Amino acid sequence: AQSVTQPDIHITVSEGASLELRCNYSYGATPYLFWYVQSPGQGLQLLLKYFSGDTLVQGIKGFEAEFKRSQSSFNLRKPSVHWSDAAEYFCAVTRNYGQNFVFGPGTRLSVLP
Amino acid sequence: GAGVSQSPSNKVTEKGKDVELRCDPISGHTALYWYRQSLGQGLEFLIYFQGNSAPDKSGLPSDRFSAERTGGSVSTLTIQRTQQEDSAVYLCASSLLATSKNIQYFGAGTRLSVL
Repeated sequence: AQSVTQPDIHITVSEGASLELRCNYSYGATPYLFWYVQSPGQGLQLLLKYFSGDTLVQGIKGFEAEFKRSQSSFNLRKPSVHWSDAAEYFCAVTRNYGQNFVFGPGTRLSVLP
Repeated sequence: GAGVSQSPSNKVTEKGKDVELRCDPISGHTALYWYRQSLGQGLEFLIYFQGNSAPDKSGLPSDRFSAERTGGSVSTLTIQRTQQEDSAVYLCASSLLATSKNIQYFGAGTRLSVL
């Protein structure tokens, strides 16, 4: 069965520091990959998505992610974190239909001033 | 509407009571999804609708859970005889079509607390 792992439950970085959130997936074929962000008390907002083509994708709020087929990974990066980036980040995969939309457990990001 | 709207935002109920959670998707979106987010857990898929039909109900945790959608728009998730383990945030999402290339847009969720 398909699965998504996010090895880091909680990450703390200083404002202005770089960030990388890890996502690994187990899937029978090349999946469609997504990163969502959830601020406290809010719904999920799509940061970026990968379907095919260029393996480095750009998203909103200065985020980017790189798909590495050989490592089954889709890590999220940001060169300089802002205090407003503190939130929960979810990686998700799917292939065909919405019912197979599988989310990882999430990584909580804290930002120190 | 401009976004996915869920009501109520918070619901406190007593064990054994029935609850109804409502989701109003983005206008024109044909697909609608329900997820459950328990404390410290990721998102658990419950059910999705394409139009008014639910091709996949396999995520519903028990027969106490049911959902319906009428008019291809509003959906209601009903939990009968609530248990404490039902306490969670219930998220609804909608997309233009039920294919993975159609992005799911999420509501803010309903936080359910079963005492």
